[in-house]
Amino acid sequence: DARVTQTPRHKVTEMGQEVTMRCQPILGHNTVFWYRQTMMQGLELLAYFRNRAPLDDSGMPKDRFSAEMPDATLATLKIQPSEPRDSAVYFCASGLVVAAGGFEQYFGPGTRLTVT
Amino acid sequence: SQQGEEDPQALSIQEGENATMNCSYKTSINNLQWYRQNSGRGLVHLILIRSNEREKHSGRLRVTLDTSKKSSSLLITASRAADTASYFCATDKGAGRRALTFGSGTRLQVQP
Repeated sequence: DARVTQTPRHKVTEMGQEVTMRCQPILGHNTVFWYRQTMMQGLELLAYFRNRAPLDDSGMPKDRFSAEMPDATLATLKIQPSEPRDSAVYFCASGLVVAAGGFEQYFGPGTRLTVT
Repeated sequence: SQQGEEDPQALSIQEGENATMNCSYKTSINNLQWYRQNSGRGLVHLILIRSNEREKHSGRLRVTLDTSKKSSSLLITASRAADTASYFCATDKGAGRRALTFGSGTRLQVQP
């Protein structure tokens, strides 16, 4: 049963610290997405990659956030320095193109980040 | 505002009743998808309906799409307590931007 995995599941850190979140997409999926979910803003797209190349990171605060895919089995999202407003659940999803160009996404369980 | 807006924001029904959730969007789409999220979990894909389709079924789920009104509905028939979750619609604009835009969700509570 293939699934997207994310680590860590929970992270509590102090303001100013670096945070790294990791995602292992489903084998064979060529697109990876990072989302952030908060009560106030809902689900926001931060960045997405196709074939490991960043296609769109316009939703990401670039001064502190960075997203990479060092290889096909690993995607990372880093925040440096972290701030309390970054507290949220961060989801990774990998994508599969279906017939007629449709697109399904498979979500990981999320990383719940709390910045104090 | 977001591309997909669900209505209502929250819905509480009794087990066995039907639940209907609506989604409106603003721009042309390639397809529209519905996802479910249990508390503390990631989203799970439920169903995809293409822009040239008007209705689709999957088990107890029925999705309709009206592209002239830019709206979709998700009907869950004979609801169960286990259907309690948040439901999101997501739009795919097609070529170019291959990322979904999610709405704010409907929180469904099914009372046993």
